[in-house]
Amino acid sequence: SQQGEEDPQALSIQEGENATMNCSYKTSINNLQWYRQNSGRGLVHLILIRSNEREKHSGRLRVTLDTSKKSSSLLITASRAADTASYFCATDAGGGGNKLTFGTGTQLKVEL
Amino acid sequence: NAGVMQNPRHLVRRRGQEARLRCSPMKGHSHVYWYRQLPEEGLKFMVYLQKENIIDESGMPKERFSAEFPKEGPSILRIQQVVRGDSAAYFCASSPDRDYGYTFGSGTRLTVV
Repeated sequence: SQQGEEDPQALSIQEGENATMNCSYKTSINNLQWYRQNSGRGLVHLILIRSNEREKHSGRLRVTLDTSKKSSSLLITASRAADTASYFCATDAGGGGNKLTFGTGTQLKVEL
Repeated sequence: NAGVMQNPRHLVRRRGQEARLRCSPMKGHSHVYWYRQLPEEGLKFMVYLQKENIIDESGMPKERFSAEFPKEGPSILRIQQVVRGDSAAYFCASSPDRDYGYTFGSGTRLTVV
């Protein structure tokens, strides 16, 4: 399986609920990033968390990182219909290349 | 700031033709990356360039694919003698330095008929 796998593959919730997505990876990393992609569009960078950080917030987003378990979670609080999108985690393994390895994504649907 | 500009948005090529995809990074960004996304899949790294230099091309197929980022002008991803399996969305991204999040373009959707 590939570096950066999201779980679940798909998630459907009601507006106002919280959405949690998880990401697991295999190798050591320099940082981990979360991106959102609306259907047919490019990716939008949401948040970057470095390997020496455990938690980071940005608005309604909260990201945690557990390097001992090689996992990260993205929490979206008080979800809105506009949050409907695919969410990808991406890992930067360092080594100077700045190359990101993306997972296959979680498709989030927020219903009114 | 117009962001990362990719053109064309859609490109249709017949098998055997050449495809040229262009990417202008954000102003002030000197690092450019190309990724390919197949339907229902995540993005796969292809190549990482800085001005006039290819830094990492470990994701590029060995044949038919090439990339450049000249001193002047956009980055170009060239696919020669396209085949049906090249049909995909190709995304370009840029960053100001390492350890920064990427800014992505809207992608070029290549269809080979």
